[in-house]
Amino acid sequence: GQQLNQSPQSMFIQEGEDVSMNCTSSSIFNTWLWYKQDPGEGPVLLIALYKAGELTSNGRLTAQFGITRKDSFLNISASIPSDVGIYFCAVKTSGTYKYIFGTGTRLKVLA
Amino acid sequence: DTGVSQDPRHKITKRGQNVTFRCDPISEHNRLYWYRQTLGQGPEFLTYFQNEAQLEKSRLLSDRFSAERPKGSFSTLEIQRTEQGDSAMYLCATWEGGVNTEAFFGQGTRLTVV
Repeated sequence: GQQLNQSPQSMFIQEGEDVSMNCTSSSIFNTWLWYKQDPGEGPVLLIALYKAGELTSNGRLTAQFGITRKDSFLNISASIPSDVGIYFCAVKTSGTYKYIFGTGTRLKVLA
Repeated sequence: DTGVSQDPRHKITKRGQNVTFRCDPISEHNRLYWYRQTLGQGPEFLTYFQNEAQLEKSRLLSDRFSAERPKGSFSTLEIQRTEQGDSAMYLCATWEGGVNTEAFFGQGTRLTVV
């Protein structure tokens, strides 16, 4: 079953607001990833994190790889309507290189 | 356009029928994954190939499911005797295998079993 817990499950925000979501695991992982999925489409990679404590940005998105290697957060600044979608965290297992996905955070932006 | 192509995008089938999906990877990506995603859930791992070798299968992959990658390029996923519980999005992803690189996902095949 799923090993990653994401919170919140869903959120409504006003356009222009900042958004924060996080992802936790009971196990240690060395690669943490954040994906966005639009309805009817496959997940698209937003940010990849490879080093504990690392803070990485991609435009208005910033993600951090927790120092314990058991968590990560994603921030979106100044949200816009096209940020609507489902955001998944994922980890890549060592050795077998499989991807395990979280339960997702559904984001809705009110104009 | 991620470069991973899946066909068909949508499939409606009657319970008990067999269905086959195809995935064409980004060229020279030797790792290919199949995932299943049900409504409101994250993608769940089904199986993966390294070139033509199928290296791992999830317990989710019942004996009605079979996947192949005959020449290490495209892959097919077949579901025999479909059940309503098989209704889901089936996602394919491929990876070149390099350090600090990740897999690209296709757009998926949405299966509805009626």
